[in-house]
Amino acid sequence: DTAVSQTPKYLVTQMGNDKSIKCEQNLGHDTMYWYKQDSKKFLKIMFSYNNKELIINETVPNRFSPKSPDKAHLNLHINSLELGDSAVYFCASSKDRSYEQYFGPGTRLTVT
Amino acid sequence: QKEVEQNSGPLSVPEGAIASLNCTYSDRGSQSFFWYRQYSGKSPELIMSIYSNGDKEDGRFTAQLNKASQYVSLLIRDSQPSDSATYLCAVINAGNNRKLIWGLGTSLAVNP
Repeated sequence: DTAVSQTPKYLVTQMGNDKSIKCEQNLGHDTMYWYKQDSKKFLKIMFSYNNKELIINETVPNRFSPKSPDKAHLNLHINSLELGDSAVYFCASSKDRSYEQYFGPGTRLTVT
Repeated sequence: QKEVEQNSGPLSVPEGAIASLNCTYSDRGSQSFFWYRQYSGKSPELIMSIYSNGDKEDGRFTAQLNKASQYVSLLIRDSQPSDSATYLCAVINAGNNRKLIWGLGTSLAVNP
């Protein structure tokens, strides 16, 4: 039973394309997150949703748009992909904002 | 001053020794503290959470929290080569958004 799942696991695409990453959690958690981990391995929060409401929106280009259709799903759509978007994107979830977060396996995005 | 600081390492210990990982944080109002382990190419995995001053033990792992000195540490007893990974310290800030602030991680190598 996968707790937090992401699709796809790998994504290779060309500059200028639009792509989406999907995330689902079956833990019954109320809060979900998107992180970016670049080549320097620093984990950077991008967005957080609590009960489908956006609560954290870091300084992220407008080309990135999260969408939470329900508490169990949080998707990330990226428009006009750039080389600098190449990274591993992690989805995570937690019971609430004050509790530990559980991570999905990650999506390795490579923009050529 | 970085919000959550860790020595990047690498920390090298022989098999069977105690590995000691340290983390300091700047937000005095922080209440929730976590240690994650990340193997190369994998997602962060929660090792320990600690919320009150003192020690918390779970198997070979002990987390220690000292809020007055603003540090949290992780001890790994009887270190095994399989413990070789990057250990990330994370702290939930005291602000309204209760964002999880990450350290850059300490690389641990356990030598057989």
